[in-house]
Amino acid sequence: DADVTQTPRNRITKTGKRIMLECSQTKGHDRMYWYRQDPGLGLRLIYYSFDVKDINKGEISDGYSVSRQAQAKFSLSLESAIPNQTALYFCATSDPGQGGAQYFGPGTRLLVL
Amino acid sequence: DQQVKQNSPSLSVQEGRISILNCDYTNSMFDYFLWYKKYPAEGPTFLISISSIKDKNEDGRFTVFLNKSAKHLSLHIVPSQPGDSAVYFCAAEFTGTASKLTFGTGTRLQVTL
Repeated sequence: DADVTQTPRNRITKTGKRIMLECSQTKGHDRMYWYRQDPGLGLRLIYYSFDVKDINKGEISDGYSVSRQAQAKFSLSLESAIPNQTALYFCATSDPGQGGAQYFGPGTRLLVL
Repeated sequence: DQQVKQNSPSLSVQEGRISILNCDYTNSMFDYFLWYKKYPAEGPTFLISISSIKDKNEDGRFTVFLNKSAKHLSLHIVPSQPGDSAVYFCAAEFTGTASKLTFGTGTRLQVTL
C-alpha cells in the first residue's frame, strides 16, 4: 500500500465550485505539504503544516485553504475554483530526522472549466 | 524570481552513456540540495541529496556534485539506463526554514537504446 495517498486522482469541476482534495499518509510524519505543478514552473508550495496545530502559507496560498484533521490527514480546499487553478496537485510528507527529503503522493489532476 | 533554475528543459542520452543534469541557484542561504525523479502519473520520488558542507555525494549510479562558489549542482547518472527516462527536479532548502523546499522547473531525460 502507498505511504501517501491522494483522492481523487482526477477531477473536473466548473468555475465557482468548491472542491476538496484529500491527502492521507501512513508514514507517521508530522510534516505535510501541498504543492501544485504547472508546465514550465516546477512545483510550488501552497500550504504546509508541521503538526496538527500548525498551518502555514506557502508562496501561492491565495484562493486555497487547508485543514489538518489529524497527523495523518491534510486536506486542500479551493473555495471558489477558477480556471487558472487547473494544475497537478501533490501532497507530501517529511520527517525532520531524515533531512529535507519529502515523500510525495501520486498527485491529483484538476481541471477547472 | 526563480531561485532554483534548471536551464535545460530536456536531455537525450544513449543507453550506457553518462547523463549530466544541471541546476543553478541564486540564494546563498540554501544549505541542502536534493534531486527528485518523476515518472508520468506518479509523484516525485527522492533520489539523492547533498549538504552544503560537502562537494560530492554518491549513491550507486547517481552522483551529485555541488560547487558552492558557482552556486551550481549537477547530477551524474552512470551508466544511463532506459528506466532512468523521467523528469528530474532539483530542489534546495535553507534548513533555517525547516524543510521548505524550493524546486527547479525540471529536466526531462530521455535515455535511448
